[in-house]
Amino acid sequence: DAGVTQSPTHLIKTRGQHVTLRCSPISGHKSVSWYQQVLGQGPQFIFQYYEKEERGRGNFPDRFSARQFPNYSSELNVNALLLGDSALYLCASSYAPGRDKETQYFGPGTRLLVL
Amino acid sequence: DQQVKQNSPSLSVQEGRISILNCDYTNSMFDYFLWYKKYPAEGPTFLISISSIKDKNEDGRFTVFLNKSAKHLSLHIVPSQPGDSAVYFCAASNYGGSNYKLTFGKGTLLTVNP
Repeated sequence: DAGVTQSPTHLIKTRGQHVTLRCSPISGHKSVSWYQQVLGQGPQFIFQYYEKEERGRGNFPDRFSARQFPNYSSELNVNALLLGDSALYLCASSYAPGRDKETQYFGPGTRLLVL
Repeated sequence: DQQVKQNSPSLSVQEGRISILNCDYTNSMFDYFLWYKKYPAEGPTFLISISSIKDKNEDGRFTVFLNKSAKHLSLHIVPSQPGDSAVYFCAASNYGGSNYKLTFGKGTLLTVNP
């Protein structure tokens, strides 16, 4: 079975540009979460989506937005990029949020570099 | 305010010995805890989890212990193998909350020497 897939794997942008990152969850999973991991830190929660609705949002500015599609895939959008947005962006999928013994499975991530 | 803390940035052990990775948390609402392993250029891989109603969970060479009163959990790897060398993240969640977000520690780099 395919795991969580993310595209692109790497991306270089300049300050002020916009970026769209994509994620396809494990088949049968209906919830997608996005995390940002900067060097030397653990992943930080950005968004969680379930059945195309936002279920949670972390402490990130409004420049960050996301959506989930009917096939449960998801996009993360970041506008007006800053140097500090350079990070590994991770997508995780789970069957549904809040279920007993729920586990999130992560994709390989998209490495974003902002120059 | 870091709610999940892994105070050891790195740990080095000999192959065949036990590796013990520690994690402390401050939020008493956390009721589910997970350990992930991460290799460079890969996403975190789920290892093992434990619910707050338990104090121990085993899966093969991996055992997680939870001490709720001390707000402390640990991951034991026995015996350690060179392939276990990776960054290990402790994560916590509150199932009773309105969303299922994971709060991670900063990670511990485990090196298992042959």
